[in-house]
Amino acid sequence: DGGITQSPKYLFRKEGQNVTLSCEQNLNHDAMYWYRQDPGQGLRLIYYSQIVNDFQKGDIAEGYSVSREKKESFPLTVTSAQKNPTAFYLCASRWSVNTEAFFGQGTRLTVV
Amino acid sequence: AQSVTQLDSHVSVSEGTPVLLRCNYSSSYSPSLFWYVQHPNKGLQLLLKYTSAATLVKGINGFEAEFKKSETSFHLTKPSAHMSDAAEYFCVVDLLYGNKLVFGAGTILRVKS
Repeated sequence: DGGITQSPKYLFRKEGQNVTLSCEQNLNHDAMYWYRQDPGQGLRLIYYSQIVNDFQKGDIAEGYSVSREKKESFPLTVTSAQKNPTAFYLCASRWSVNTEAFFGQGTRLTVV
Repeated sequence: AQSVTQLDSHVSVSEGTPVLLRCNYSSSYSPSLFWYVQHPNKGLQLLLKYTSAATLVKGINGFEAEFKKSETSFHLTKPSAHMSDAAEYFCVVDLLYGNKLVFGAGTILRVKS
């Protein structure tokens, strides 16, 4: 079954702790993306990667970090520097420009 | 700067009446554009895409959108709304340089019976 897997679906962390969200795809896509979704704000781009070992900051990268060591994996770390980390996080991938992006089911992170 | 603006945060229509969800973009060149839909507690699904071919694009479930370069618009329409169309809709601009996808803030469509 081809697709994008995000885990876990729900995640709870204490304030001040770093947390890593997993995103794995078996679609052989080159590009991968992380978005944050908040009510009324749509999806805001955190980081994206066009190829392995390369990634760029999106519009709201502060307090987040990523790595792209393998084509199929693009984990997102939410650091303690992120001032408002509680949100719904979506991972996506696609072949290249002009092509459809496929999305995972998301991870809902709650920081208490 | 390239961006996308969805002009209405909420739209309410009666079942069987037309749907219009408005989207404007700003770009220094003709971008590719997409519409995605997100049903409650469901994942994002592609409705349709424009990639510089025909300016009138047909998508799934009877939706279509027209690319108007002179108006920098890509509005989504459907002739007759169905209850199952109730969802949040996102207009997306594909910034071809750098492979960046930028989403609008979303429009929540409510369909009244």
